[in-house]
Amino acid sequence: DTAVSQTPKYLVTQMGNDKSIKCEQNLGHDTMYWYKQDSKKFLKIMFSYNNKELIINETVPNRFSPKSPDKAHLNLHINSLELGDSAVYFCASSQAPGLAKNIQYFGAGTRLSVL
Amino acid sequence: SQKIEQNSEALNIQEGKTATLTCNYTNYSPAYLQWYRQDPGRGPVFLLLIRENEKEKRKERLKVTFDTTLKQSLFHITASQPADSATYLCALYNQGGKLIFGQGTELSVKP
Repeated sequence: DTAVSQTPKYLVTQMGNDKSIKCEQNLGHDTMYWYKQDSKKFLKIMFSYNNKELIINETVPNRFSPKSPDKAHLNLHINSLELGDSAVYFCASSQAPGLAKNIQYFGAGTRLSVL
Repeated sequence: SQKIEQNSEALNIQEGKTATLTCNYTNYSPAYLQWYRQDPGRGPVFLLLIRENEKEKRKERLKVTFDTTLKQSLFHITASQPADSATYLCALYNQGGKLIFGQGTELSVKP
């Protein structure tokens, strides 16, 4: 059983389209995250939810909208896709938010290519 | 703002040797520092966590040191194997509760 699973693994789409990425964790964690990994391999936090409430919202275009229907799921919807959105998006979870010793568990990533 | 620097050049070593990776941080004194491993096409996987008052932490062939004066952590893999080839990321939580990652060091172990 995969602890953090995200779908799809690959997403190829045209500029201007709207797409969603889904994430589910079966670890019983309260906190979930979305990260973006660019071509230079930097992993940067985008959003974090704790028990369905948004607690971290980085400076991300408002074309990106996360949604957490329950604490085991965190989806990412992207409107009007642009070329610069091409990257690998990772979902992650941890037991609680922000504690310095919290370990994060990551999904396998979704590689988004905008043409 | 918090910054983490890892050697961006790939590290190539011979099987059986010890690999040493460096992580330097600025502008903050974290209570903990974490190391993750990332394989191509996969998400990061947690390896080790070290507290500020621990000088050294070991797990099998892995050893991490944490020097809060130098603001540096070293990650060692002894008796390295080709299966250890991956990108290794160091990370710490900043004062805003966000996990900040270094850009990672790619390790290649040749047989």
